[in-house]
Amino acid sequence: DTGVSQNPRHKITKRGQNVTFRCDPISEHNRLYWYRQTLGQGPEFLTYFQNEAQLEKSRLLSDRFSAERPKGSFSTLEIQRTEQGDSAMYLCASSPSGGGNQETQYFGPGTRLLVL
Amino acid sequence: GNSVTQMEGPVTLSEEAFLTINCTYTATGYPSLFWYVQYPGEGLQLLLKATKADDKGSNKGFEATYRKETTSFHLEKGSVQVSDSAVYFCALKGGGYQKVTFGIGTKLQVIP
Repeated sequence: DTGVSQNPRHKITKRGQNVTFRCDPISEHNRLYWYRQTLGQGPEFLTYFQNEAQLEKSRLLSDRFSAERPKGSFSTLEIQRTEQGDSAMYLCASSPSGGGNQETQYFGPGTRLLVL
Repeated sequence: GNSVTQMEGPVTLSEEAFLTINCTYTATGYPSLFWYVQYPGEGLQLLLKATKADDKGSNKGFEATYRKETTSFHLEKGSVQVSDSAVYFCALKGGGYQKVTFGIGTKLQVIP
């Protein structure tokens, strides 16, 4: 079963450091999404790619955050100059762009970030 | 903008009890509606969905009906099991956007 995979699963960093997370979507899915989930809350949308094009960005995605999907396959999410408020679970999801399952987003296990 | 309101938990039920988790939404047009579930230590999984008014989504004994007149998508199960203990999220996608808007999540604990 090749579901959505994310690395690393856990990251502890000091305030002010940069961190980068990776997401590998389901291989035939050309849509990829990033969400952030804090404790006791539902996931909040950050950004969306169709192939390599970043088509939607949330206002939550400040200028310290940048996401890329250079070849339309895996994606990276970088946070520069991390702050304690960035501590959260970062979720990646993917979906096909056609067919009966295009409405369904399939989620990875997430990367838990703790900023000290 | 789009928003989802769901009942706050935790909800504690005895095994074989009837479950209802209320969910209402605000959206323009005709969104698609979802229930996702997060079991302890696992990632989010789609439980069921409905893409148009009056559709009923169902899976694993859970059901929810898309009610446009009341903008609701309540989750129900006739007889819960201990293995149903999890956090349940109501969600929607609409307005021509691909992003999914989630509710706050309702934690369900089923005791034997």
